Amino acid sequence: DTGVSQDPRHKITKRGQNVTFRCDPISEHNRLYWYRQTLGQGPEFLTYFQNEAQLEKSRLLSDRFSAERPKGSFSTLEIQRTEQGDSAMYLCASSLAGREKETQYFGPGTRLLVL
Amino acid sequence: GESVGLHLPTLSVQEGDNSIINCAYSNSASDYFIWYKQESGKGPQFIIDIRSNMDKRQGQRVTVLLNKTVKHLSLQIAATQPGDSAVYFCAENIGRPAQKLVFGQGTRLTINP
Repeated sequence: DTGVSQDPRHKITKRGQNVTFRCDPISEHNRLYWYRQTLGQGPEFLTYFQNEAQLEKSRLLSDRFSAERPKGSFSTLEIQRTEQGDSAMYLCASSLAGREKETQYFGPGTRLLVL
Repeated sequence: GESVGLHLPTLSVQEGDNSIINCAYSNSASDYFIWYKQESGKGPQFIIDIRSNMDKRQGQRVTVLLNKTVKHLSLQIAATQPGDSAVYFCAENIGRPAQKLVFGQGTRLTINP
């Protein structure tokens, strides 16, 4: 069984550069979520997709952030003009909608460091 | 407001003892709660969940208790092992139709040999 995978696992970039992260959900899952986690804190919701449609975005997701899920399978999260405050762990989760309990399963995360 | 918090940020127990990690939530409309375990450098790992129509649910060595009257959630780990050392988060599932999770700050559990 392959769980949620994310790539890359680590990314170091200079301020002002663009970065893109990829998430591959559990294959039959139709919902995909992005969260951000800073050191010592719990994950914070950023956005989610049902199939290819992006249905909700947090106010944390500034206009420098964009997420896509073009074919309803993998998703990408792009950060443009990175800032030092963007340094965090970016987590992806997936779930299967339509069940009474919709458990979200998380990937290993991409740790971003902006210098 | 909507928030999930933890009473104790750190917990240290002896190997073999039972651990109890507590969590308070404030959204009385929440109907689904999950406990996650997060080891250093890894993503949160699902441990156990509970719906609001239950007050107790048991898994392997873990039990979750839900007290809706005082909006309190707890995770009990029996016979803790070194591998249980991690940060534990409770999460509150809010929003319809999105199953958006609201996490607390987390409790770091340390097992002493």
